[in-house]
Amino acid sequence: DAGITQSPRHKVTETGTPVTLRCHQTENHRYMYWYRQDPGHGLRLIHYSYGVKDTDKGEVSDGYSVSRSKTEDFLLTLESATSSQTSVYFCAISERTISGNTIYFGEGSWLTVV
Amino acid sequence: DAKTTQPNSMESNEEEPVHLPCNHSTISGTDYIHWYRQLPSQGPEYVIHGLTSNVNNRMASLAIAEDRKSSTLILHRATLRDAAVYYCILSKMAGSARQLTFGSGTQLTVLP
Repeated sequence: DAGITQSPRHKVTETGTPVTLRCHQTENHRYMYWYRQDPGHGLRLIHYSYGVKDTDKGEVSDGYSVSRSKTEDFLLTLESATSSQTSVYFCAISERTISGNTIYFGEGSWLTVV
Repeated sequence: DAKTTQPNSMESNEEEPVHLPCNHSTISGTDYIHWYRQLPSQGPEYVIHGLTSNVNNRMASLAIAEDRKSSTLILHRATLRDAAVYYCILSKMAGSARQLTFGSGTQLTVLP
């Protein structure tokens, strides 16, 4: 357990509405990530953060923005949700160990855009 | 991008060892080999990782070929709770962070 909490865990929203998913961590990790998982695509990286106010794009960042105003929270925002953004979203943190970095995932947020 | 190749599915009998293979012929010198598993409706769970040497932990063992172009995840005694999708992943530095690129994984079925 890497102390990751995602909220909401389940959400149904209408096309065109803004949605924000929150990832909260309790262990002061520097690196945080947002992935989405869809059938046939595995997990794909949306955005990541390497510190407060420091973020960068991943493989599938179009249509998403992120913010990190404090170490413990990493927010993923869909400014105007579309049906193609129906997915399961996983937050992750990276923990440095003597044998390299290990990434731990949260339990997921199921988003349905109707 | 460095990619991994895994069988789509494997079966094992309960309480027998399981060897899950992975090929990563385009691995580069700084890529770590990670294994995760995922149960339905749950996030991926870290299993093990390594760079060059074989690794053991309480969940599994990781055997890495000498040329690092393949690896094998070993579950010493499969249980029904080990049934999951197992992902072999290369951890690469990209931008400012080490990132994981997931493939499609191996669905492991454990038979009682």
